[in-house]
Amino acid sequence: GQQLNQSPQSMFIQEGEDVSMNCTSSSIFNTWLWYKQEPGEGPVLLIALYKAGELTSNGRLTAQFGITRKDSFLNISASIPSDVGIYFCAGFSGAGSYQLTFGKGTKLSVIP
Amino acid sequence: DAMVIQNPRYQVTQFGKPVTLSCSQTLNHNVMYWYQQKSSQAPKLLFHYYDKDFNNEADTPDNFQSRRPNTSFCFLDIRSPGLGDAAMYLCATSSGTGVGGYTFGSGTRLTVV
Repeated sequence: GQQLNQSPQSMFIQEGEDVSMNCTSSSIFNTWLWYKQEPGEGPVLLIALYKAGELTSNGRLTAQFGITRKDSFLNISASIPSDVGIYFCAGFSGAGSYQLTFGKGTKLSVIP
Repeated sequence: DAMVIQNPRYQVTQFGKPVTLSCSQTLNHNVMYWYQQKSSQAPKLLFHYYDKDFNNEADTPDNFQSRRPNTSFCFLDIRSPGLGDAAMYLCATSSGTGVGGYTFGSGTRLTVV
């Protein structure tokens, strides 16, 4: 089956720093999604990307759908303590697909 | 607000005692999913319903069953919980079109004693 390789696995950063994480696949995806999961909660959708090359922002978050359709990145600018959590990339592959494939997640820790 | 609601948020059950987790949605989505998530891991799909059609993942143990009596509700039944079934159980919904992603509930944290 499809796999999404998400990196890094974990990050420790200082408050105020920018963060970048990415997701790659050996196969093409039609939709890329980025979720954030805080401890004890379900994942919450941050950004959805539907077209190759698309660059979308949500506040301090920016994500891009790679031109090759095999990768996506998420950037967080000027990190704050409440950015702590696990960030998952996910994607739909194939026309009409409704089954999400998840990356293994990037655990973000922000040091005040 | 349209949402996915899971009850209870925390469930403690005894080893071997059947337990049911519930999920309801107000999104009128066609698809409802159940995921198992263990600490610091990605969610693992157990099964899903597309409308009334049940789709089981090949590696989901028989100990896990599901019911979807109507569009709004879906239940996860664990027939004989073992210590290894302690986890966060997440319910999610989607339109089934691939647009909009999944909407997740807040999860039920299951403890087996």
